[in-house]
Amino acid sequence: GQQVMQIPQYQHVQEGEDFTTYCNSSTTLSNIQWYKQRPGGHPVFLIQLVKSGEVKKQKRLTFQFGEAKKNSSLHITATQTTDVGTYFCAVSMDSSYKLIFGSGTRLLVRP
Amino acid sequence: DVKVTQSSRYLVKRTGEKVFLECVQDMDHENMFWYRQDPGLGLRLIYFSYDVKMKEKGDIPEGYSVSREKKERFSLILESASTNQTSMYLCASSLGDLGSPLHFGNGTRLTVT
Repeated sequence: GQQVMQIPQYQHVQEGEDFTTYCNSSTTLSNIQWYKQRPGGHPVFLIQLVKSGEVKKQKRLTFQFGEAKKNSSLHITATQTTDVGTYFCAVSMDSSYKLIFGSGTRLLVRP
Repeated sequence: DVKVTQSSRYLVKRTGEKVFLECVQDMDHENMFWYRQDPGLGLRLIYFSYDVKMKEKGDIPEGYSVSREKKERFSLILESASTNQTSMYLCASSLGDLGSPLHFGNGTRLTVT
């Protein structure tokens, strides 16, 4: 069953507003990855977080891994129409190759 | 650049048919995966393989089987297709290191009527 919760399911923002999606697990995670899927496309890898409390940035995107390694967030500053898509977190729990995806957050941006 | 190729973009099959979905990757990746994607449910892992002839069940293996006879090819088999298997099927591959990112194919949209 679902082992990772991702919220919100949808977010509709005005261009220039910020956006955040959250990924939560009841168990400690080995690592967490984030993917973006454009409409009609396939998921594309964005980043991986491994260490407790880790923060990584990619231009306007900030990724954070919780201290307890049970949650993570992706924050986009000043959204643009090119940010439209569905953002997924993906986790592995016990040093396994098995990667479990969250249900995704669909971001819509009004120009 | 990694290329993961799925044999069909769209497929329509009848209930009870045996269906083969093929996936080929060209980067000598050890791991290969099959997911299905449904609205509101995200990507759910069906099966994965970490080596030739090796396979492990994912979260929803019922009604599916897989075959990995060669390193570059991972096939998903629906022994007797049913309407609840109508979905988008995504194949992915990754290097053998734990936590290696997944590279996805473009997907096969399967409709079972």
